[in-house]
Amino acid sequence: DAGVIQSPRHEVTEMGQEVTLRCKPISGHNSLFWYRQTMMRGLELLIYFNNNVPIDDSGMPEDRFSAKMPNASFSTLKIQPSEPRDSAVYFCASSPVGGPSAKNIQYFGAGTRLSVL
Amino acid sequence: AQTVTQSQPEMSVQEAETVTLSCTYDTSENNYYLFWYKQPPSRQMILVIRQEAYKQQNATENRFSVNFQKAAKSFSLKISDSQLGDTAMYFCALGGGGGAQKLVFGQGTRLTINP
Repeated sequence: DAGVIQSPRHEVTEMGQEVTLRCKPISGHNSLFWYRQTMMRGLELLIYFNNNVPIDDSGMPEDRFSAKMPNASFSTLKIQPSEPRDSAVYFCASSPVGGPSAKNIQYFGAGTRLSVL
Repeated sequence: AQTVTQSQPEMSVQEAETVTLSCTYDTSENNYYLFWYKQPPSRQMILVIRQEAYKQQNATENRFSVNFQKAAKSFSLKISDSQLGDTAMYFCALGGGGGAQKLVFGQGTRLTINP
């Protein structure tokens, strides 16, 4: 299995620009999570989906952030307009739900390091 | 609200020594899961070990084991015969039971294994 795939690996952009981060979960996993990691706040959940439906978006910092999951194999996290304080590493994780093999384990992608200048 | 606290920002030991990383948590749920994730310099988050709250037996994975004290809400990680490749940030995480639930992470402990 290829694991959770995130792209791009690094993104450098200027303040005010739109940024789109992409995630392909592990095939067969029906839950997908977006996390943000910063030195100040650590790892925090932004939003998660079950069966492509957003379940909890309480961690999304503000309206500039939006996330979609149009199908079971793809999700995007968009920031528009971006600001320097959005600079962080963004992780996507997926998890199988239900059944003895699920075990509530989340598998993480390699992350996208975003720098907003 | 669920919280996870790691009180040791940094630790350093010599190769082959045993080291214990501390974690305490708070939750009102009866059914939950606890995890230790490792984040090496490559920044990939790697699952180290997992514990189900309803199981009294402490989980073990090769050189890694936990001391789960449910009443005290404590979940420490012991690394035996530490290796240079164990150098990483270690995060304790708490997840709810019953389907996919978000993970709440501690602030992490930076562990350095010295040759």
